Order: sequence, then C-alpha cells, then structure tokens
Amino acid sequence: GQSLEQPSEVTAVEGAIVQINCTYQTSGFYGLSWYQQHDGGAPTFLSYNALDGLEETGRFSSFLSRSDSYGYLLLQELQMKDSASYFCAVTDNNDMRFGAGTRLTVKP
Amino acid sequence: DTEVTQTPKHLVMGMTNKKSLKCEQHMGHRAMYWYKQKAKKPPELMFVYSYEKLSINESVPSRFSPECPNSSLLNLHLHALQPEDSALYLCASSPRDNTQYFGPGTRLTVL
Repeated sequence: GQSLEQPSEVTAVEGAIVQINCTYQTSGFYGLSWYQQHDGGAPTFLSYNALDGLEETGRFSSFLSRSDSYGYLLLQELQMKDSASYFCAVTDNNDMRFGAGTRLTVKP
Repeated sequence: DTEVTQTPKHLVMGMTNKKSLKCEQHMGHRAMYWYKQKAKKPPELMFVYSYEKLSINESVPSRFSPECPNSSLLNLHLHALQPEDSALYLCASSPRDNTQYFGPGTRLTVL
C-alpha cells in the first residue's frame, strides 16, 4: 500500500519562507510531485523530483531524499496569493497518490 | 492548445438519471485520468487510460463507467448515482508519468 504524511496546516507572513514536508511509504516509486490548489480551483503542477536533490523553479523549490522517503516544498518570498492547499503526490508507473494536503495561510 | 477542458462545469442529477462528463485535451498526452475529490480532501484516483486502454480501475462502483473514444477524449458515464457521489470530478492528462495537467473539474450534485 501507499501512505503519504504532510502537515495539515501551516501559517506564515508575507515575505517569509515556509517549508512543507512530506514523508511517504510506497510499494513502488518513480518520483514525488507537488501540486497547488486554490479554493474552488483545480490542482496545478508545481514541481517534480525523481532523483535526490533540490529542484528550483522561481520562488518554489522541491527537495527529495529517496533513502529517507522524504521530500519538501520550499516557498520563498511568500505572497498572499500563495494561500492555498499544497499536495505532495507519489508516482508509481501510471498511478499517482496524493497526500492529504497542507493548508497554507499567508498573513499580511 | 495547452489545457484540459471539462464539460459541464456543474451538474445536478437525480439518482435515476444517466449523464456523462466529458474531458478533452489536444496536447498529445497519451495518459488520461479521472479523479474524484470531496471537499477538503485530496483527489482520489478512479481510472487511468494509457494509450486509450484502461490500465487502472481503482475498484470504482459500476455506476461509474469510463470511456476513451480516442486519444484526445475521455468520458465518464454516470448512472444510478447516490448522494454520496456528489463531489468535484477532475480529469487530468499526462505526457509521461511525472506531471499531470488537470482540467477545471465538474462539480456534481446528486439529489
């Protein structure tokens, strides 16, 4: 089976840096993805890690350690529009499983 | 064309109705997916089509019936649904196994 753990809620202020962690237990593993979902919207792809290390895309970075079954999403220079739910997801062949999601609230 | 479209955006149906959800993408992606998402929950995988063949069916009740007429289209046929089936139904496509592009979803209410 598969399980993914991530914090349910995180709160931060504008301009700050926040890290959302994700640990996983899976029978198969191709990579770890991160998705953002605003209320009433659809998930949008943020980042993907198949190999250990850091991937940087603008203000967002994602890290993976396969040996630790652990990854994180790092959001820098937080903006109010970053308030949303963030999901980590494990890919195994054509299968993708999402974590329960982390609700990020950015305050002025 | 770099988006996944879904119709209708909203659907209200009775438990005896038959309806269909439609999904379309013209990005040449060969994998397409149906997800169900309840409020404040993550998307739950329902079906996966790879090269127009059903590759994953996550033990979804038979009142949900997927169809992939061609590489650009994905349908979800609904029949005799229950009120607990009310949810946001998301379609996604993928060029490979690591990224998925989601449509805006169909918000379904079953009365």
